[in-house]
Amino acid sequence: AQKITQTQPGMFVQEKEAVTLDCTYDTSDQSYGLFWYKQPSSGEMIFLIYQGSYDEQNATEGRYSLNFQKARKSANLVISASQLGDSAMYFCAMRDGGGGADGLTFGKGTHLIIQP
Amino acid sequence: NAGVTQTPKFQVLKTGQSMTLQCAQDMNHEYMSWYRQDPGMGLRLIHYSVGAGITDQGEVPNGYNVSRSTTEDFPLRLLSAAPSQTSVYFCASSYDRSSYNEQFFGPGTRLTVL
Repeated sequence: AQKITQTQPGMFVQEKEAVTLDCTYDTSDQSYGLFWYKQPSSGEMIFLIYQGSYDEQNATEGRYSLNFQKARKSANLVISASQLGDSAMYFCAMRDGGGGADGLTFGKGTHLIIQP
Repeated sequence: NAGVTQTPKFQVLKTGQSMTLQCAQDMNHEYMSWYRQDPGMGLRLIHYSVGAGITDQGEVPNGYNVSRSTTEDFPLRLLSAAPSQTSVYFCASSYDRSSYNEQFFGPGTRLTVL
């Protein structure tokens, strides 16, 4: 069975600092996708970044990058130059390659608060 | 494109009542799914569909029914609401079932069962 672990329930970070949100995963599949979503206080789920298990390079999307360490089964999200608008819940999720029919498996999330 | 839409945004039910949460997408996505989000938890999969006429159970299917008669619509039915079904419900869709396709989420429905 798949499992996602996010060990940081909450984080406080000063504005403009870089932030690393931890995510470890467990799966027996060789093919899988890793996703990060942002959920602001308004409640919607916003897709941030994706990393495929066979991708050799770490994914980047603007200020977001994914530090993918396959051997350690970790997929940490790095936010550079944090902004007040980055305050939100952040969820790490995985979708397996066995048809992906089971949808996304989510971690419990990290509540990130950016302080001025 | 409207993306994924859900109605209603909020709903209050009494125990034992039934209702249908509506979900529609206009992206011609094959794959659609329903999740619930409870406090302190990530989202958990209730049911999913890989195409019109095909549905299957996810992690927490008890008390819910789904059907998929068209590509666009994927309603979720609560048969006899219970307080344990108080939650925020998200509908999501993706192009297909592949592991590399992101899921697009609707805005959510906040349901309270008294």
